[in-house]
Formats: sequence, structure tokens, C-alpha cells
Amino acid sequence: RKEVEQDPGPFNVPEGATVAFNCTYSNSASQSFFWYRQDCRKEPKLLMSVYSSGNEDGRFTAQLNRASQYISLLIRDSKLSDSATYLCVVPRGSGGGADGLTFGKGTHLIIQP
Amino acid sequence: NAGVMQNPRHLVRRRGQEARLRCSPMKGHSHVYWYRQLPEEGLKFMVYLQKENIIDESGMPKERFSAEFPKEGPSILRIQQVVRGDSAAYFCASSIGANTGELFFGEGSRLTVL
Repeated sequence: RKEVEQDPGPFNVPEGATVAFNCTYSNSASQSFFWYRQDCRKEPKLLMSVYSSGNEDGRFTAQLNRASQYISLLIRDSKLSDSATYLCVVPRGSGGGADGLTFGKGTHLIIQP
Repeated sequence: NAGVMQNPRHLVRRRGQEARLRCSPMKGHSHVYWYRQLPEEGLKFMVYLQKENIIDESGMPKERFSAEFPKEGPSILRIQQVVRGDSAAYFCASSIGANTGELFFGEGSRLTVL
């Protein structure tokens, strides 16, 4: 299994719809996980952290399944501004990020009007 | 509180020249990370530094690449004798501590090798 694996997409979704995508990881020692967002040719920015079973922030919900080693991101009532690449991120070491992060290649999301 | 500052934003070099990329972390951050992003690829970890120390350089090619984070001044990623395959976006990120998953990224330096 690759360190971090994501479906690259693109996911073409109509505005207002709900979309979800998964990410699998290989480092079973990881304690925390993150979703970053990257707009075209811009720097990545932290979207959500996932430390236990899941986290919810407005329209965004991140869930963690340790047994199967995957995390998911759910976006409800999608907006045009949600169009971006979503990066699944896992600590490189066994801690919470002590030696940097491993980034997935990202899932490209396109919200269509 | 300025964010992570990288310069130059764009750099063009001919094969065989040297490229120097600079990164000033956010105020109060002492941990710096360099990542490389090739077109249509994900971010690849290169090196992790703290002031005056290289903590982990396992992602950095052994030849031609070096990084430093001196006591005073910005962190510098140096690429000697550049080749076309070095063309990429180089992102610097900083964090306030070691055990955090929140990295603050600069806008990146885009290197083009002719």
C-alpha cells in the first residue's frame, strides 16, 4: 500500500450536491490526519484536522476508520468556491507531525453551476 | 503577522546554473520544511530544518541539492547545476512546534530550467 493514496478524480459535481472522497494510508502508527486544500497554482492550506473518529466543521465532515486505515471527507451543499484539489495528509513519523507530513496527490473537485 | 515569505516567486535558470530559493518562516516559527511539487504531481517532502540544524533530509537528492536555516536570516534551498527535471514549484512551510500537523505554506517559488 502506498503511504497515502487518493482517487485523483476529477469529481464533477453540481452545485448544492453532496460529495465524498476517501484516502487510504499505510502508516498504522499515525495518530492524526489532515485534509488540506490547494487551489490551482496556489499554496496548500489546512482545511481540517482529524484526531479521533472524526471532525465536523460546517459543511465539511472528516471521518477516520483506523481499522481499515482510511479517512474520508464529506462536503455538503457544495459551493462553486469549493472547487479545488483536496489533499489527504498523514504524518511521516509516528507522532502528530514531528518530522513533517506526507501529502497525497490530491483529489480534484469541480463544482458545476 | 506576515505569513511565510518565499522569494523569488519565479526563477528562470539555464541548465548548469545555480538556483537559490529563500524562505522566511512565520514569526515565532522555528521549524521549516521544503516540499517540491512537479506539474500534475503531489507535494514531495524534501527536508526539515530547525535553526542551524537539518533534522531530516531524507527527501532531498544527495547531489546538487542543499538546504540551510542559519541562526539569522531565511532558510535557503540551493540547487547547483540545475537540470530541466528540476523545474517545479518549491514550497516552504513552517510550524510553531514539532508535534503539529498544521503547516503554514508560502506561495511557492516556481523554478523553470531552460
